[in-house]
Order: sequence, then C-alpha cells, then structure tokens
Amino acid sequence: QLQQSGPGLVKPSQTLSLTCAISGDSVSSNRAAWNWIRQSPSRGLEWLGRTYYRSKWFNDYAVSVKSRIAINPDTSKNQFSLHLNSVTPEDTAVYYCARGWEYTSWGQGTLVTVSS
Amino acid sequence: EIVLTQSPGTLSLSPGERATLSCRASQSVTSNSLAWYQQKPGQAPRLLLYGASSRATGIPDRFSGRGSGTDFTLTISGLEPEDSAVYYCQQYAGSHTFGQGTRLEIK
Repeated sequence: QLQQSGPGLVKPSQTLSLTCAISGDSVSSNRAAWNWIRQSPSRGLEWLGRTYYRSKWFNDYAVSVKSRIAINPDTSKNQFSLHLNSVTPEDTAVYYCARGWEYTSWGQGTLVTVSS
Repeated sequence: EIVLTQSPGTLSLSPGERATLSCRASQSVTSNSLAWYQQKPGQAPRLLLYGASSRATGIPDRFSGRGSGTDFTLTISGLEPEDSAVYYCQQYAGSHTFGQGTRLEIK
C-alpha cells in the first residue's frame, strides 16, 4: 500500500514536495521501482520519474521536468519523496505515487494547486 | 519519446456487448512493454493488463489484450455496467508514456 502526504496548495516559483509512505514492501527492494505520476485535464497522465535500487540507487526523470525535479528514497522511513521546484500554474494536477514499471499499486492521489 | 494514440475517443455500448479499444505507438514498443489501466471518477488508475496480454491480479478473464510492435488492443467481453470508465494504455519500454484515454460508456 502507498499513502501520500503533502500540501495541496503551493505558490508559484516555490517547491512542490510530496511524500509516499510504503507498507507491505521496501523502498530498497531489488525488484521494485517507485514512481511519481501526475494527471491534469490539459496534459492527461504524465509520468514524472522514478527511483529504484539495484545494488545502488538510480533515478530516471521525464525530459519535460528533468531540470527541476528530484525523487529521493528514505530508507529509514520506508518512503520516497517528490520535489518539483519553480512551479507554475501549469503544474496544477493530481499527483500520484505508484509502484513498478507497470504500475501495480497507486497512492490515493493528491490534488496540488499552484496559485498565489 | 514514444507517443501512444488511443481510439476511439468514446465508445458507447450496451451490457453484454464486446468493446474493442485500440492503442497505436509512434514506434515499436520493445518486449511488449505495454499496460492497460481502468480509471473511474475520483479514483487512481487500476492496472488491468501488462506485457500486452497478461492479466493483473484479480482481473477477470473478460479483459484480454493482444498486439505487438506498434499496435495493441484491449478487448472487454460481456460488458457490465461497472465497466464504465476511462481506459488508458501505457508503455514502459523507455521513458514511460500514456495514451490520452478511451471513455467507455455502458448505456
């Protein structure tokens, strides 16, 4: 199971930060990958990036956000986080965390609005 | 980046009928790394199929998939009212991308 947390309102130019807590699995699993995905009426479903462990940590990011995104694992809390900086109203979306390459489990979704 | 184009945009069918949804890729999807999801209002997408044709845990055999390369199909047989939803394809061969979705209405 994946449980998301984080603010629903972020000001333009600031950093959007969300956390996804994992239960029933490990963020350090050698078989899993941990993703952030968002959904908006204008952009549809958009994969943002992932983190995964294969003897060391790897990160992959979508080209569209690569310059301003970071996805970090936290092994002590068995969770991972999304940080998206320099946000604009175009970053307003429902954000999901999800497990896997094909997404077998999803978080509940967090509506994040970028507005002053 | 692989672009996925789904058709039709909307499908309206009756209970008991069969739905055929298409997903076409702008370039070949290697290793059949294609999945299908169902999304109902206010919910996260739910994985139906992966590897183009393998059903996810708990998915009934009314849902089936086929295809390879650039052309993939999701078939739902014996439609039930609860199948009303938006269906998305997703490729995970490289940088992951989604199709724009097909809305299925059961009238």
